Amino acid sequence: DTEVTQTPKHLVMGMTNKKSLKCEQHMGHRAMYWYKQKAKKPPELMFVYSYEKLSINESVPSRFSPECPNSSLLNLHLHALQPEDSALYLCASSQRLLAGGPGNEQFFGPGTRLTVL
Amino acid sequence: KQEVTQIPAALSVPEGENLVLNCSFTDSAIYNLQWFRQDPGKGLTSLLLIQSSQREQTSGRLNASLDKSSGRSTLYIAASQPGDSATYLCAVMDSSYKLIFGSGTRLLVRP
Repeated sequence: DTEVTQTPKHLVMGMTNKKSLKCEQHMGHRAMYWYKQKAKKPPELMFVYSYEKLSINESVPSRFSPECPNSSLLNLHLHALQPEDSALYLCASSQRLLAGGPGNEQFFGPGTRLTVL
Repeated sequence: KQEVTQIPAALSVPEGENLVLNCSFTDSAIYNLQWFRQDPGKGLTSLLLIQSSQREQTSGRLNASLDKSSGRSTLYIAASQPGDSATYLCAVMDSSYKLIFGSGTRLLVRP
């Protein structure tokens, strides 16, 4: 299994809703990432988990709450979002966070298209 | 702060042409450079990864080069096909393990 899966594919939510995005990989990767991508823009890093511990938080607002319950799963909990949070949310994984070597290659999932009304 | 630039922003070529996409970065302290392909509304597909100690990588019709000292990489696509039409993104991994993306080149290969 060489893929990263994400659910749901599409999500529409109101500003008072609570929802979660899910990401799963079974490649034995121990680094997992959340990115946000606005239309016609490149992906922007949000969070990085290494060995199930949060390693990087790019000053993301607290209405986004990541969780890594085990080495295969990564969640992003959403609460009280704003319309400007509408975007494609991408999950990625790599073997490790390494100083060098092919283990740094990141593999991306298909993304969740989020619309906040 | 690392900045990644891709030129051109858009490119339209007839089928069969060989083409080159350019990527430049401002800080040579990188661990690697990765080229991705993204189809509209989809995720990213990794094409090639070049380690900082390497000069080039090849996969099929794709060849990517890296000149770390000058802060440049190129992606060469041989014998382009309509199925190659997509946005191509380059990204560098900086010294804090963050992947910094360029804005991409939108490629259209005309039949």
